[in-house]
Amino acid sequence: NSKVIQTPRYLVKGQGQKAKMRCIPEKGHPVVFWYQQNKNNEFKFLINFQNQEVLQQIDMTEKRFSAECPSNSPCSLEIQSSEAGDSALYLCASSLTGGWDTQYFGPGTRLLVL
Amino acid sequence: AQSVTQPDARVTVSEGASLQLRCKYSYSGTPYLFWYVQYPRQGLQLLLKYYSGDPVVQGVNGFEAEFSKSNSSFHLRKASVHWSDSAVYFCVLSVSNNRIFFGDGTQLVVKP
Repeated sequence: NSKVIQTPRYLVKGQGQKAKMRCIPEKGHPVVFWYQQNKNNEFKFLINFQNQEVLQQIDMTEKRFSAECPSNSPCSLEIQSSEAGDSALYLCASSLTGGWDTQYFGPGTRLLVL
Repeated sequence: AQSVTQPDARVTVSEGASLQLRCKYSYSGTPYLFWYVQYPRQGLQLLLKYYSGDPVVQGVNGFEAEFSKSNSSFHLRKASVHWSDSAVYFCVLSVSNNRIFFGDGTQLVVKP
């Protein structure tokens, strides 16, 4: 079973507010991924890290989303100004080596933007 | 382009019956394939994975999957389903460069 921890489990924000969620990857996993899962079960890759360095990120992440994985602290994903369309389940996953390696998922943070 | 197709959005079976959930992938290289299950209000849990070797891979809770390169498929099977297997099942393709591709999921409903 995955040992990825995500907090909070639920987050409710008004439009324009900041929304911040955190992820603690499995111990020893240097690669961390963030995904957005919408109500239609569509997954969107947002960003990934290896240790503290960003490996890849999509345009959406570059504009309103910010993320970091500081050393000895949880990783975080923050939406600077939430929009209704950001309402989704945000999943964090970690893996040992990235690439083709298995990704282990946390329970997710469900964001509702009113 | 890489993609994963799960042609059945919803599958309903009776408890104790056998199950097959279909998955087709599109990728010109060597695919690394996974099945994950998502229970309500939870994240994705790994059921099984295929990297190479024996095309039939065993997973948790009696699930198995068979890889077919000629059919570009990775179907999930279980001999006898239980009501607790009701969930959404995702077929996932992993390629190089840290990217994975999700199918749209198959909602499994197990009737008592």
